Amino acid sequence: GQNIDQPTEMTATEGAIVQINCTYQTSGFNGLFWYQQHAGEAPTFLSYNVLDGLEEKGRFSSFLSRSKGYSYLLLKELQMKDSASYLCAVKDSNYQLIWGAGTKLIIKP
Amino acid sequence: GAVVSQHPSRVICKSGTSVKIECRSLDFQATTMFWYRQFPKQSLMLMATSNEGSKATYEQGVEKDKFLINHASLTLSTLTVTSAHPEDSSFYICSARTLSGNTIYFGEGSWLTVV
Repeated sequence: GQNIDQPTEMTATEGAIVQINCTYQTSGFNGLFWYQQHAGEAPTFLSYNVLDGLEEKGRFSSFLSRSKGYSYLLLKELQMKDSASYLCAVKDSNYQLIWGAGTKLIIKP
Repeated sequence: GAVVSQHPSRVICKSGTSVKIECRSLDFQATTMFWYRQFPKQSLMLMATSNEGSKATYEQGVEKDKFLINHASLTLSTLTVTSAHPEDSSFYICSARTLSGNTIYFGEGSWLTVV
């Protein structure tokens, strides 16, 4: 079956750095997305990786290793507004999005 | 600003009535749109994939006669919840995929409450 694993919850301190990991086992791979979702709101797009390596976008970076079926989202200089759920999703061979359950990130002052 | 607009954002309807939710891509054309449902504190659940000009593809367990999807143009898909019941109360989210397929944008979501 298809499976995406993320930690359920993480806690970090304001101003610090946090890495949210995502491992996947899917039938084919056509890209990996990271989304941020605040409670009660729709997800917002953060990043898209299709090739191995690190993509940096401001305070957020996303890394992909296709051979390991692994990605991480790196958040730097954490702010209180970064408290949210972070969703990892993989586009499989049928171009369907397979979603992880999300990682709830709690930022403490 | 939003690139995918979803309307209405909140709706309350009586049990047995039908409700239509619209999803529009504002700055791009989307041959494929997706409809999701999300229960509190749970992940997104794909309901159906909507393809412009053809019938929607429904996920297993989703009643196609209850959740009617119409994708009449490259910028508009609609989800109609027919004969709504209280258990249909949920957060419904649409998303639209760019033609290149590299990015999927989400609408703001619609809170449906059936009383």
